[in-house]
Amino acid sequence: KAGVTQTPRYLIKTRGQQVTLSCSPISGHRSVSWYQQTPGQGLQFLFEYFSETQRNKGNFPGRFSGRQFSNSRSEMNVSTLELGDSALYLCASSLTDSSRGQYFGPGTRLTVT
Amino acid sequence: GEDVEQSLFLSVREGDSSVINCTYTDSSSTYLYWYKQEPGAGLQLLTYIFSNMDMKQDQRLTVLLNKKDKHLSLRIADTQTGDSAIYFCAEIFSGGYQKVTFGIGTKLQVIP
Repeated sequence: KAGVTQTPRYLIKTRGQQVTLSCSPISGHRSVSWYQQTPGQGLQFLFEYFSETQRNKGNFPGRFSGRQFSNSRSEMNVSTLELGDSALYLCASSLTDSSRGQYFGPGTRLTVT
Repeated sequence: GEDVEQSLFLSVREGDSSVINCTYTDSSSTYLYWYKQEPGAGLQLLTYIFSNMDMKQDQRLTVLLNKKDKHLSLRIADTQTGDSAIYFCAEIFSGGYQKVTFGIGTKLQVIP
């Protein structure tokens, strides 16, 4: 089975712009979670989607949003980018929930200048 | 709220055992995990333990859980240079829908 894929792998944006990141989960996985990883804060949970519905949400401002499609692929969007949004954004999938562990993609490295 | 703490750095010699420690605060955690992250890559699930277990062994990996002290450890036997990576401890917060909380990660350096 193919693993979790994320596109693009690298992205450079300027402050005030918006960005959309994409994640394709492992085939058959219906739960997709997004995380932000930074050296100072570590891994911070953004949100989780299951069957096209946001099931759980972390403590991020409304500029961070996401969605999931009927084929379980997911996108996250960050509007009005700030310098502090520079991070590695990781997507993780699991069959139905995270209890048996998650499978991570390689991440999208976002740099905001 | 839930919190997971780990030391930042561990250095061991090749062939020795490594022990990476983690403490967590959520007493209602049901599952605890160890993930490995190599440079430029996402996280790889190494193993997980259910909270009603004390120990789990998987080849060179041994996970010990002390639920009373809320302490989790990962022992890597016969550590190899390929084990050099960042190791994350994580827990599931059981309030409502599951949300995974990660520690800051322990960087393991294996000296040849």
